[in-house]
Amino acid sequence: NAGVMQNPRHLVRRRGQEARLRCSPMKGHSHVYWYRQLPEEGLKFMVYLQKENIIDESGMPKERFSAEFPKEGPSILRIQQVVRGDSAAYFCASSLSNWRETPEQYFGPGTRLTVT
Amino acid sequence: KNQVEQSPQSLIILEGKNCTLQCNYTVSPFSNLRWYKQDTGRGPVSLTIMTFSENTKSNGRYTATLDADTKQSSLHITASQLSDSASYICVVSEIFGNEKLTFGTGTRLTIIP
Repeated sequence: NAGVMQNPRHLVRRRGQEARLRCSPMKGHSHVYWYRQLPEEGLKFMVYLQKENIIDESGMPKERFSAEFPKEGPSILRIQQVVRGDSAAYFCASSLSNWRETPEQYFGPGTRLTVT
Repeated sequence: KNQVEQSPQSLIILEGKNCTLQCNYTVSPFSNLRWYKQDTGRGPVSLTIMTFSENTKSNGRYTATLDADTKQSSLHITASQLSDSASYICVVSEIFGNEKLTFGTGTRLTIIP
């Protein structure tokens, strides 16, 4: 059973371009979470999705950022018109269910975005 | 504002020695506290999860403690190995079913031979 997969592992974009980050959850997991880690800082929650639904996007910047988790295929975090401040490591996690008292989240290896 | 603070920021110890990492949090209401290990360039990996009713939990050479009254937790590592070199992150979950985790900035542990 493969773990959470993210691609690309490294992404370089020029200011103003679009960045698309992909996350394939663990087999059987229907809950996906995106986190951002700025240099020397802790991970910060961005968005929580179930299949085809955004459950909580309170950590997502209001502009330029969007996320989806379609019925088929990976979850996508999309950043439009990237700026240097978007440079960070973006981690995806998945869980089997969040109705359990302590659902385990399994993290992917992250995508390191560099904006030049 | 919910916060998770960890100390020390970094720690260097000799292989074979024990160490204890500290975590204080202000997250409220509180559901559970987790310790993760994050190797450089990798995603976090869960070590332990404790609810407010648990005050100690072990996972091999890792033992976590929790005092929900004082809002403190510790992670004790015994007989350290070179592979223990990593960042150890304390993470707190607010309320039942809420997956919005609050992460500490981690303790960077380096084991030297």
